[in-house]
Amino acid sequence: DTEVTQTPKHLVMGMTNKKSLKCEQHMGHRAMYWYKQKAKKPPELMFVYSYEKLSINESVPSRFSPECPNSSLLNLHLHALQPEDSALYLCASSQGRGDKNIQYFGAGTRLSVL
Amino acid sequence: GESVGLHLPTLSVQEGDNSIINCAYSNSASDYFIWYKQESGKGPQFIIDIRSNMDKRQGQRVTVLLNKTVKHLSLQIAATQPGDSAVYFCAEMARGVRGGGADGLTFGKGTHLIIQP
Repeated sequence: DTEVTQTPKHLVMGMTNKKSLKCEQHMGHRAMYWYKQKAKKPPELMFVYSYEKLSINESVPSRFSPECPNSSLLNLHLHALQPEDSALYLCASSQGRGDKNIQYFGAGTRLSVL
Repeated sequence: GESVGLHLPTLSVQEGDNSIINCAYSNSASDYFIWYKQESGKGPQFIIDIRSNMDKRQGQRVTVLLNKTVKHLSLQIAATQPGDSAVYFCAEMARGVRGGGADGLTFGKGTHLIIQP
């Protein structure tokens, strides 16, 4: 089983709203990731969590706040977003160690900011 | 900055023919490469990976070739089928440079593979 589950699948929010994206995996992976993908573009890394600690933040604006409550869950809290933040937000997980580091992706949350 | 790129944004092939999707990378520290397939409305799906100490790796109907001398990666799909229609991304990583054993992937621009009946 290489399933990463993301909820919700679609989200529409206003610029003053607060919302959260959720990601879950049960593969025993110890690394989890958030990527942002604009239309017709490749995914771009936002955050990396390794063993439940934030290890990489790709200079993401503070209106995006990641959280890793435990090794199976990853959240992305959204507040005061801008219309240009509309995108597909992808979560991924991997073993986080060893020679290989295959990242398995969820289906994503398609976010529209009005 | 350094990035992974692709030579062609769109590739059209006849059903049953072989497809070759190319990728150029410029980060000489990259030592791990993955090909992903992304269908419309879905997340990237793992196809095959290769480490920098290998030149070739084969999977089911797919082969990845790595030429470190010219920093070139290719994905060959044998006997292309309608279900192969998707955008294909190469991705690279320089493992151990940061983040311990986990680091993000840098994706190329993607190639849209179109299958003609």
